[in-house]
Amino acid sequence: DAGVIQSPRHEVTEMGQEVTLRCKPISGHDYLFWYRQTMMRGLELLIYFNNNVPIDDSGMPEDRFSAKMPNASFSTLKIQPSEPRDSAVYFCASSFLLDDTQYFGPGTRLTVL
Amino acid sequence: SQKIEQNSEALNIQEGKTATLTCNYTNYSPAYLQWYRQDPGRGPVFLLLIRENEKEKRKERLKVTFDTTLKQSLFHITASQPADSATYLCALHMDSNYQLIWGAGTKLIIKP
Repeated sequence: DAGVIQSPRHEVTEMGQEVTLRCKPISGHDYLFWYRQTMMRGLELLIYFNNNVPIDDSGMPEDRFSAKMPNASFSTLKIQPSEPRDSAVYFCASSFLLDDTQYFGPGTRLTVL
Repeated sequence: SQKIEQNSEALNIQEGKTATLTCNYTNYSPAYLQWYRQDPGRGPVFLLLIRENEKEKRKERLKVTFDTTLKQSLFHITASQPADSATYLCALHMDSNYQLIWGAGTKLIIKP
């Protein structure tokens, strides 16, 4: 298996633009997680899905952030409009069970100018 | 308030020595604890999991202990090598609340 795949690896955009991050989890994993990592705040859980259904989105910072999982092999995290404070590395992770080991993708480094 | 603390300062260890990293938590009763390694530009990679009823877990040169009385986990790397240099994160999981709670990580530097 190729592991968790994320795209793009790097994204540079201007404030106010829409940003879409993509994730393909490991096949057979029922759980998908979106995280954000910054030096100041560390690793923060934004939202997670179980069998394509959002279960807990309490970590989503505000309405500018939205996430979807239209099928078992694809998820998106969208920021609209983007702001400089959204600059961070965004990770997608998947796991077989809720309390199982999580497998992380390589991350998307987002810079909002 | 609930908190997880890992050494915020980088830990410098001489090659061949044992590196010990600390994860302290307050106001939690975790069912288990995980340790991950993160290299620059990469996502965290799972290393070890230890449950509340386990005192110690080993994997090759790695050892994790879990003291629920002290509310502390120690992560040891014996015979450390420069390739062990990375950031190590601990994460707690509670049965009653899914959310995996992450520490900020400790940067480990092994000097040749």
